[in-house]
Amino acid sequence: GAVVSQHPSWVICKSGTSVKIECRSLDFQATTMFWYRQFPKQSLMLMATSNEGSKATYEQGVEKDKFLINHASLTLSTLTVTSAHPEDSSFYICSARDVGGGPTDTQYFGPGTRLTVL
Amino acid sequence: AQSVTQPDIHITVSEGASLELRCNYSYGATPYLFWYVQSPGQGLQLLLKYFSGDTLVQGIKGFEAEFKRSQSSFNLRKPSVHWSDAAEYFCAVGARGNKLVFGAGTILRVKS
Repeated sequence: GAVVSQHPSWVICKSGTSVKIECRSLDFQATTMFWYRQFPKQSLMLMATSNEGSKATYEQGVEKDKFLINHASLTLSTLTVTSAHPEDSSFYICSARDVGGGPTDTQYFGPGTRLTVL
Repeated sequence: AQSVTQPDIHITVSEGASLELRCNYSYGATPYLFWYVQSPGQGLQLLLKYFSGDTLVQGIKGFEAEFKRSQSSFNLRKPSVHWSDAAEYFCAVGARGNKLVFGAGTILRVKS
């Protein structure tokens, strides 16, 4: 149980285009999902917290107009990188918080999406 | 502010040897603590977590971790390492409903 999927697993796009990444919780409902960015050989940096039915909360320094987050249902959140540039190339990982699994809540992570902007 | 320190960037152990990965945290309240493992190009897999109760926590793949409040530590251990354990390990601290703060990670290499 507690499986999170991401699609696509990797994507290559041209500079100036937009890319959408999907994050799905497959066997549980997630009122909250998180989007992280990971640079090579570095730790995960939280970009934003996505709450179902409301606006995402962005971390300081993250451009909300560039990284659009939509959490339209209890099992799906999307991250759209708008007008992508080479510096946006990174590994993007989502996680979903399972609040229905018992007395504690835990984040379960997707497999990540490798974005390369040419 | 919450923070997590993993003092060791790289650790190399021989297959079959014991392993301990260090993690120290800073958090004002009772912490929720996690260990995750990441293989190259993959997402994170939860190894174990501590929320309350017994301070020695058992996880998957034969890993365990011990919460020591007096030392603000949550070290990960395994009695006998397998080559398949080679990966990067992240310690994280979080509070209920809040975001996770990750350490910088420790890369484990296993030599045969």
